[in-house]
Amino acid sequence: ETGVTQSPTHLIKTRGQQVTLRCSSQSGHNTVSWYQQALGQGPQFIFQYYREEENGRGNFPPRFSGLQFPNYSSELNVNALELDDSALYLCASSSAGGRRGELFFGEGSRLTVL
Amino acid sequence: AQSVTQPDIHITVSEGASLELRCNYSYGATPYLFWYVQSPGQGLQLLLKYFSGDTLVQGIKGFEAEFKRSQSSFNLRKPSVHWSDAAEYFCAVGTTDSWGKLQFGAGTQVVVTP
Repeated sequence: ETGVTQSPTHLIKTRGQQVTLRCSSQSGHNTVSWYQQALGQGPQFIFQYYREEENGRGNFPPRFSGLQFPNYSSELNVNALELDDSALYLCASSSAGGRRGELFFGEGSRLTVL
Repeated sequence: AQSVTQPDIHITVSEGASLELRCNYSYGATPYLFWYVQSPGQGLQLLLKYFSGDTLVQGIKGFEAEFKRSQSSFNLRKPSVHWSDAAEYFCAVGTTDSWGKLQFGAGTQVVVTP
């Protein structure tokens, strides 16, 4: 177990709705990265937050947004949901000053868009 | 363009037999290389990583990987597979200026037969 917790574990939404996914990072970690894993594919980097600021973004539209809070937990928000947003959303925490590049993943939030 | 390729989508191996999973990358700079394993419905667990130094890297669960710069490869091996090794395996690449922003391959599904 990594100490990274995500909620909810499963949820179903309809097209056009909005969703918020939450992540609590491992104790001592100040960096959170979000990934989208569509069925049968590898995870794709969405964005990263470091000390409450966005620190890099992948090829995702602006309707994907995020926040990081002072306790380093994070939220991923997706507006105007589309069918292709159905995926497993993974959160990973790391310590920018710690062991290089090692991410600790949560078990994910599985989003189904109908 | 940067890319990570796992040529084998699916591999079936008998319990006790050896396993090798292929990973090829295309990156401008010297990459950091990772192998992750994902069991059904779970997040990602780090098996091993390569940053520099000895090109043969030992990981958890009896896995090892070899970095071959001339072939742009980072293949994962295990001498004797156990039924519990059935899972999906992902190769991932990062760079020094992209901490936590990994690019993943599409994954290789490993099935272990009795």
